[in-house]
Amino acid sequence: QQPVQSPQAVILREGEDAVINCSSSKALYSVHWYRQKHGEAPVFLMILLKGGEQKGHDKISASFNEKKQQSSLYLTASQLSYSGTYFCGTQSGNTPLVFGKGTRLSVIA
Amino acid sequence: DTAVSQTPKYLVTQMGNDKSIKCEQNLGHDTMYWYKQDSKKFLKIMFSYNNKELIINETVPNRFSPKSPDKAHLNLHINSLELGDSAVYFCASSRQGAGNTEAFFGQGTRLTVV
Repeated sequence: QQPVQSPQAVILREGEDAVINCSSSKALYSVHWYRQKHGEAPVFLMILLKGGEQKGHDKISASFNEKKQQSSLYLTASQLSYSGTYFCGTQSGNTPLVFGKGTRLSVIA
Repeated sequence: DTAVSQTPKYLVTQMGNDKSIKCEQNLGHDTMYWYKQDSKKFLKIMFSYNNKELIINETVPNRFSPKSPDKAHLNLHINSLELGDSAVYFCASSRQGAGNTEAFFGQGTRLTVV
């Protein structure tokens, strides 16, 4: 079942923060976050496996709520290099990794 | 060394033709995937395959078929190509299922059907 991402698109100025949400109608085994730049392949950012888990590196972090039905990706003090389309991918049971429709993030100077 | 490689990178072909896209991974992964990314950038799972099980997205036309000569390869064969098949196709791999491990993507194959 495809997760729902919001917002569809966001425009930020350098240094601003953003939150991208990913939700499912049922409990998830895991949530993946990927970033895809124009003309390139998606690149892995992080995986969250446990309800209540939070992860992050540099100024990009994510959380996975206790009921394991929602995850949020936090981008703080955004940089031009953060621009791209962010996908959450979810997996439950034995199903393959299924992606949301993506959130297009544009960071401008 | 490229972890997941696809060939060709670009493919232009006429309607009705049959074509194949090759994918190879040198990561020793058990599971490989094919995704289709359309003009709206939606990444749609087409197939998930390991040496034990093939999972097919039921919305994928049977003109599409995965062929795996060995664990390191998962090729995509498409019969009777249609205009709507134009998209970027990504191959990916991961250890076992993708549930708790990172999926690595190939660079994509841009298929244009004319």
